[in-house]
This record gives sequence, structure tokens and C-alpha cells, in this order.
Amino acid sequence: DQQVKQNSPSLSVQEGRISILNCDYTNSMFDYFLWYKKYPAEGPTFLISISSIKDKNEDGRFTVFLNKSAKHLSLHIVPSQPGDSAVYFCAASAESNYQLIWGAGTKLIIKP
Amino acid sequence: DADVTQTPRNRITKTGKRIMLECSQTKGHDRMYWYRQDPGLGLQLIYYSFDVKDINKGEISDGYSVSRQAQAKFSLSLESAIPNQTALYFCATSDPRDYDEQFFGPGTRLTVL
Repeated sequence: DQQVKQNSPSLSVQEGRISILNCDYTNSMFDYFLWYKKYPAEGPTFLISISSIKDKNEDGRFTVFLNKSAKHLSLHIVPSQPGDSAVYFCAASAESNYQLIWGAGTKLIIKP
Repeated sequence: DADVTQTPRNRITKTGKRIMLECSQTKGHDRMYWYRQDPGLGLQLIYYSFDVKDINKGEISDGYSVSRQAQAKFSLSLESAIPNQTALYFCATSDPRDYDEQFFGPGTRLTVL
């Protein structure tokens, strides 16, 4: 049973527009959420995170929103740039367990 | 130079062979991890180590073993490789003061024929 789900395998967005990537989770014990970005032939790199005590965290063009009641988080990228084309992974952890649980990833394609 | 390196980057082997994947880091982190990624799936944790004397099984440790030779080195072994261990393998490190931000190596693509 997947505890972290990214239901969109891919997403195509026009350059300059907003990209919204979604992630759902089932384990109510998760209290920390992260987004990682992965380019081909490279390992994932950390992008942004959010604690369950917050509902929003912003870092430049990237904003993560957390809706605990819906067990849903989203990553907004504004404006989208060609270099944002990558696979984005959502991951979650519980304070009592140091393991990160990962979603399957969403491939974001930014069209010129 | 890369902070987390993995060797080899690609490996093709045959069923039943013993394989070792190596990971080295220069970040000075105590915590190290081994993951595998299969197509269409997220990363799954195989083993993790919080220091040289601490080794823990992850979600999918069966068929794998690890060795933490030093703070900077963490190797993953497949004692008798089988085709369904064909996957992309990643090593990662983290700082206990910020454990959730993990730093990844470039990955090893392993094919078991």
C-alpha cells in the first residue's frame, strides 16, 4: 500500500506559466514533507520542505502548500522555466521514524 | 568534486554473482542510506546507518547486505544477484541535525541477466 502517492506521472506546462505538482499521503503520523528534483543520470536533489505545523513554505519561485485535513500537499513553481524540466519526488517522514517514504515522481516538461 | 560518489556507475552481471556497490562521501555526515529505484516507483530504502557501528534494515533489505567501513564509506552487497534486483541504486547521506535533507550520489544502474 503506497503511503505517498503522486497520481500524475507527467505534466506539461508552458514556459512562464505556473506548474502545480500534487502529492497525497495516507499516514497521519507524517509530520515532515519534502520535495526533491531529479535530472537524468543524476541523484535527487533537495528542493523545499514543510513541517506539519505550517501550511505554506516559500523559497523563491517554489512554494509548497500543505493541507493536513485532506492529507494533500502541492508544489507550485512560478514562473516555470526550461531548467525546471525534471522528475519531482514528494517524500514524507514521521518524527518517530527516520525513514523517508517516497512517491513515484512526476515528470515535469516545460514547453518553450 | 562530487560530495557523494558511487562506483561503479553501470554494471551488468549474471544471476548468482556476488556484486558490491560502493559509496563514498566527503560531506562529513554520520548518516548514510542505500535506496533502489524501479521504473514507475519511488525510492525504496534498503539499509541505513546512523554511524559506523549502527546498521538498520529498511523496507526491502532481503537479498542485500551492507558494510560501513568508515564514516565516509558505505557499501551495498548483493550476495547472489537475481534479475528482479535490476534497478537504479542510490546512496545518500544526511546530517543528524537536519536528517531529512538527504544528499544523493549519482546512482548505479545495475542489470542482472
